[in-house]
Amino acid sequence: DQQVKQNSPSLSVQEGRISILNCDYTNSMFDYFLWYKKYPAEGPTFLISISSIKDKNEDGRFTVFLNKSAKHLSLHIVPSQPGDSAVYFCAAMRGGATNKLIFGTGTLLAVQP
Amino acid sequence: EPEVTQTPSHQVTQMGQEVILRCVPISNHLYFYWYRQILGQKVEFLVSFYNNEISEKSEIFDDQFSVERPDGSNFTLKIRSTKLEDSAMYFCASRATGGHDTQYFGPGTRLTVL
Repeated sequence: DQQVKQNSPSLSVQEGRISILNCDYTNSMFDYFLWYKKYPAEGPTFLISISSIKDKNEDGRFTVFLNKSAKHLSLHIVPSQPGDSAVYFCAAMRGGATNKLIFGTGTLLAVQP
Repeated sequence: EPEVTQTPSHQVTQMGQEVILRCVPISNHLYFYWYRQILGQKVEFLVSFYNNEISEKSEIFDDQFSVERPDGSNFTLKIRSTKLEDSAMYFCASRATGGHDTQYFGPGTRLTVL
């Protein structure tokens, strides 16, 4: 049951450049999407979210884009910093009583100094 | 900044033993969750809890699992008879309100079943 997919297991970028992490979903009932960052031996840390009624949300260096027709979202990090090196998870939510999160498999981002 | 805490950070147990994983959610939060991540796999939803009862559970959350909020602060996950395949990181999360509100995760408990 892969309702949320992150097809790139890893990504390497140079410090100062843009990092683009991608996520695809299959369930059209999802109406809210989140990105979490995770370091080893720590829990996921919330980064940024977007509602399905929007196509872009920006917070500092982080921007999330949503293309509902393509069922695709992406996270842009500009400029990338070595401290951004972590696993990034895309998660989707279908509004309702529980709002459980459905996670993708994650993308390991390595930002090279 | 308020945070979700979990204890222990690492639990080693023998197959068939009972374990209790503990979580202290953020104090004004009303919705509570357990997720798990088997090594190399995605984070999976186990159960959600609101108003002192389970609101949803996944197919993973069978009769061997139970959750409880024994007092005003703790939220526990009990596995009655552990299996080898229960070895995973277990994450607790909490959320303040209904609707599209962010879930905040604890650091996790690594459960190793031998």
